[in-house]
Amino acid sequence: SAVISQKPSRDICQRGTSLTIQCQVDSQVTMMFWYRQQPGQSLTLIATANQGSEATYESGFVIDKFPISRPNLTFSTLTVSNMSPEDSSIYLCSVTHGAGNTEAFFGQGTRLTVV
Amino acid sequence: SQELEQSPQSLIVQEGKNLTINCTSSKTLYGLYWYKQKYGEGLIFLMMLQKGGEEKSHEKITAKLDEKKQQSSLHITASQPSHAGIYLCGAKGDSGGSNYKLTFGKGTLLTVNP
Repeated sequence: SAVISQKPSRDICQRGTSLTIQCQVDSQVTMMFWYRQQPGQSLTLIATANQGSEATYESGFVIDKFPISRPNLTFSTLTVSNMSPEDSSIYLCSVTHGAGNTEAFFGQGTRLTVV
Repeated sequence: SQELEQSPQSLIVQEGKNLTINCTSSKTLYGLYWYKQKYGEGLIFLMMLQKGGEEKSHEKITAKLDEKKQQSSLHITASQPSHAGIYLCGAKGDSGGSNYKLTFGKGTLLTVNP
């Protein structure tokens, strides 16, 4: 298993500002992902965080809006830039130890409200 | 793209009752995950199923994957208030470059009344 710590757990931000969310894992993991869960909706994959290179973004998500870093095998950050109320969501970090059918673990999430 | 449909969307049961949540996929499932989510929080991993006909249990929760690998069910026996939450099923993509991505259903909200 993996213990994932996300910070902050929640925040209320002004529109137009940016927030950086941190994801720290207690062990080296192969893959790290960032998901978004909008109110009343299920989880949607934003991007795969790649160590030492640019993240791989899913359709509808771009680097300018959601810059991601992954400097090593245990840490990643997601920034939500130039926020608007539509960005109010829960953002979740997820990790796996392999690319195949292995268990996928999630952090406790960051609950973001943009006012 | 793969779509997962969960039923029911919400469920209210009396403590001690059994219940079942279903997850149906539009495509063959190559890895089916069940998670529990408390309101506004992260996901707690419950079980992962891969093989057709596979069944796994943990405490009072049993998950099954049908032989055709297109439907999974989550069964809770003698439900307790601690079982309350949102249950999500997630599925891996098919083989190839997308097989690590998880697609999720919209979740089933379970309320257990004491």
